[in-house]
Amino acid sequence: DQQVKQNSPSLSVQEGRISILNCDYTNSMFDYFLWYKKYPAEGPTFLISISSIKDKNEDGRFTVFLNKSAKHLSLHIVPSQPGDSAVYFCAAVHFSGAGSYQLTFGKGTKLSVIP
Amino acid sequence: NAGVTQTPKFQVLKTGQSMTLQCAQDMNHNSMYWYRQDPGMGLRLIYYSASEGTTDKGEVPNGYNVSRLNKREFSLRLESAAPSQTSVYFCASSEAHTLNEQFFGPGTRLTVL
Repeated sequence: DQQVKQNSPSLSVQEGRISILNCDYTNSMFDYFLWYKKYPAEGPTFLISISSIKDKNEDGRFTVFLNKSAKHLSLHIVPSQPGDSAVYFCAAVHFSGAGSYQLTFGKGTKLSVIP
Repeated sequence: NAGVTQTPKFQVLKTGQSMTLQCAQDMNHNSMYWYRQDPGMGLRLIYYSASEGTTDKGEVPNGYNVSRLNKREFSLRLESAAPSQTSVYFCASSEAHTLNEQFFGPGTRLTVL
C-alpha cells in the first residue's frame, strides 16, 4: 500500500508560468515532509521541507503548502525556469525508533519546463 | 568536501554472482542509508544504519546485507545477484538527531543478466 502518492507522472509548463506538483499521503503519523529534485544520472537533492505545525513554507521561487486535514501537500514553483526540468519526489518522514529517520518516497513527477 | 561518494558507477553481473557496493561520506553524519530506485518507482529503503555499529532493515531488505564499517563507510552486499535486483542504488547520509535532509550519492547502476 503506497503511503505517499504522486498521481501525476509528468507535468509540462511554459517558462515563466507556475508549476504545481501535488502529493497525497495516507499515514496520519507522518509529521514532516520534504521535496527532492533529481536530474538524470544524479542523486536526489533536497529542495524544501515543511513540518506539520506549518501550512506553508517558502524559499525563493519554491513554496510548499500542507493541508493536514486533506493529507495533501503541494509544491509551487514561480516562475518556472527550464533548469527546473527534473523529477520531483515528495517524501514523508517518520521516526524509525532507532535514533534516525526513514523517508517514504512517492513515485515522482517529471516536470518539463518549455522555453 | 566530496559529500557522499559511491563506487562503482556502473556494474553488470551475471545471475548468482556476488558484489559489494561501496559508500562513503565526509560530512561526519551519524546515519547512512541504502535505497534502490526502479523505473516508475520512488526510492525504496533497503537498509539503514542509525549510528556506527547499528544496522536495521528497511522496506526491501531481502537479498541484501550491509556493513557499517566505520562512521564514514556503509557497504551493501549482494550475495547471489538476481535479475530482480537490476536497479539504481543510492546511498545517503544524514545527521541523525535533526530533521534535516538526507544527502545522496550519485548512484550505482546495476544490471543483473
